[in-house]
Amino acid sequence: GQNIDQPTEMTATEGAIVQINCTYQTSGFNGLFWYQQHAGEAPTFLSYNVLDGLEEKGRFSSFLSRSKGYSYLLLKELQMKDSASYLCAVRDTGGFKTIFGAGTRLFVKA
Amino acid sequence: GAGVSQSPSNKVTEKGKDVELRCDPISGHTALYWYRQSLGQGLEFLIYFQGNSAPDKSGLPSDRFSAERTGGSVSTLTIQRTQQEDSAVYLCASSPPSGGAKTQYFGPGTRLTVL
Repeated sequence: GQNIDQPTEMTATEGAIVQINCTYQTSGFNGLFWYQQHAGEAPTFLSYNVLDGLEEKGRFSSFLSRSKGYSYLLLKELQMKDSASYLCAVRDTGGFKTIFGAGTRLFVKA
Repeated sequence: GAGVSQSPSNKVTEKGKDVELRCDPISGHTALYWYRQSLGQGLEFLIYFQGNSAPDKSGLPSDRFSAERTGGSVSTLTIQRTQQEDSAVYLCASSPPSGGAKTQYFGPGTRLTVL
């Protein structure tokens, strides 16, 4: 079956670092995505990993281990505007079907 | 350039009625996806279209749901005999034909409320 797990909620302090984990069990794998979704808005693309390792993009980094079925999103120098849901998504092999996790709601406090 | 657009932005209907939701993808994007998101939940895959290939309908929850994409551009999601459990935000996304990531660009969604 298809299963993507991530924590439901996390809270962190402005200026700090937070790591959001995602584990997946899917029938196929052709890339893992992280999306950010503010309340009442559509998801927006943050990162894409298809090979093992760390991808860094400004304050955001994403890590993938295919053998462990594991990814994390790392947010540095947290800002209040980073309060949002973060969605982990896995694309199936051979096509474009993408399965999303339920999302992690991140609350950034002052 | 213009992003993905969806209409209507909000739709309130009575149980048992049919509804049509429209999606205009980004020009030139060959892949188009429909998702459903219930309050506080993640995205539930419904269907996707890729060029002229047969659509992947594996996520449609029942035969009351159908979708078509005319001319490889605009798509319509139809829900027949709506039920209260169909209430959700319906999101459409499109992605370009080239590029490794083929990132999905989402529209603003249609909020469907079935009374």
